[in-house]
Amino acid sequence: EAQVTQNPRYLITVTGKKLTVTCSQNMNHEYMSWYRQDPGLGLRQIYYSMNVEVTDKGDVPEGYKVSRKEKRNFPLILESPSPNQTSLYFCASSPRTIHEQYFGPGTRLTVT
Amino acid sequence: AQSVTQLDSHVSVSEGTPVLLRCNYSSSYSPSLFWYVQHPNKGLQLLLKYTSAATLVKGINGFEAEFKKSETSFHLTKPSAHMSDAAEYFCVVSDHPGNNRKLIWGLGTSLAVNP
Repeated sequence: EAQVTQNPRYLITVTGKKLTVTCSQNMNHEYMSWYRQDPGLGLRQIYYSMNVEVTDKGDVPEGYKVSRKEKRNFPLILESPSPNQTSLYFCASSPRTIHEQYFGPGTRLTVT
Repeated sequence: AQSVTQLDSHVSVSEGTPVLLRCNYSSSYSPSLFWYVQHPNKGLQLLLKYTSAATLVKGINGFEAEFKKSETSFHLTKPSAHMSDAAEYFCVVSDHPGNNRKLIWGLGTSLAVNP
């Protein structure tokens, strides 16, 4: 089944404790992206990747890191999480951005 | 600069009546336009997309949207609302030369359907 998977789905952590949210797709898509969703702010892009070893900042990259060492994986790293990073996070992939994006189920992160 | 404006943050309709969710965009190039839907506590799903073919685009679940270049609009419509249509709807524009373009998301419109 074609899908985008994210793990974990729910995470509660404390300020400053490094964490990684994994994202994997099995559709051989070149384009992958991370978004955060906050009430009243829609989806905001954090980072995106056009292909392996090619990543770029989105609209809200501060406090996040990503890597794209393999085509299928695009982990999101929070080196020192803060409470303002409490949010719902979505990973997405597509062949190109002019095509439909396939979204993961979301990761709800709470930083206390 | 590219932008997307969803003109209504909340829309409420009665079941069986028409739905209109409005989206205006600004574009420097020939845009691709999308509508995505997010049901409560669910992920996002593509409803329909416009990529320079027919200006009237039909999507899933009876939704359609018309690309009007002169009005820079891409409004989403459905003739008759169903209770299951209650969700958050996002208008998205992909606007930059080439096949991998920056995506600009609207802030969303919350659709409520009343019995």
